[in-house]
Amino acid sequence: IAGITQAPTSQILAAGRRMTLRCTQDMRHNAMYWYRQDLGLGLRLIHYSNTAGTTGKGEVPDGYSVSRANTDDFPLTLASAVPSQTSVYFCASSPTGGDGYTFGSGTRLTVV
Amino acid sequence: DAKTTQPPSMDCAEGRAANLPCNHSTISGNEYVYWYRQIHSQGPQYIIHGLKNNETNEMASLIITEDRKSSTLILPHATLRDTAVYYCIVRAQWGANSKLTFGKGITLSVRP
Repeated sequence: IAGITQAPTSQILAAGRRMTLRCTQDMRHNAMYWYRQDLGLGLRLIHYSNTAGTTGKGEVPDGYSVSRANTDDFPLTLASAVPSQTSVYFCASSPTGGDGYTFGSGTRLTVV
Repeated sequence: DAKTTQPPSMDCAEGRAANLPCNHSTISGNEYVYWYRQIHSQGPQYIIHGLKNNETNEMASLIITEDRKSSTLILPHATLRDTAVYYCIVRAQWGANSKLTFGKGITLSVRP
């Protein structure tokens, strides 16, 4: 089934540790995105990539980095996790242009 | 700044039409109206989008006023599975305003 796969589905992480959230899509979409969702704050864009080899900063990029080595994969890295990064993280992709985004099922991350 | 205004919540009876309003009085000429929904604990799901003409697909209908300052998403026969947060979003298909920016949405509760 075509779509987006995120891994892990959930994780408890010690503060200060490094963590990479994985996102893979099989729809050959050019653009990919990472959002975080927090109670009362809604979904906020962290980073995006319009095409393989390019990335950009969203609304809340601090503490996160991304890479886009190929079309299918868009990993999100927390270099040194802090408790404020406890959140649900959603990866999404879209074709170039205005078609709808497809979202993954999310990764629930708890930093303790 | 929020570009759309939605009531925080509404409910409707199962089997009846659910009409979800959205105001977007500052919409620009190149911006589309998109609707997404998020069922509890899942990633957001694309529903429909339109520019100025009314649109219909297998999930819903989108009615956009002639001045484009407001729109209504119609779920013609709501079911319990339609209980979700519904997001109305305006965005351009290209350029700086093309990122999907979520507001608080409207919580639709479908009652038996």
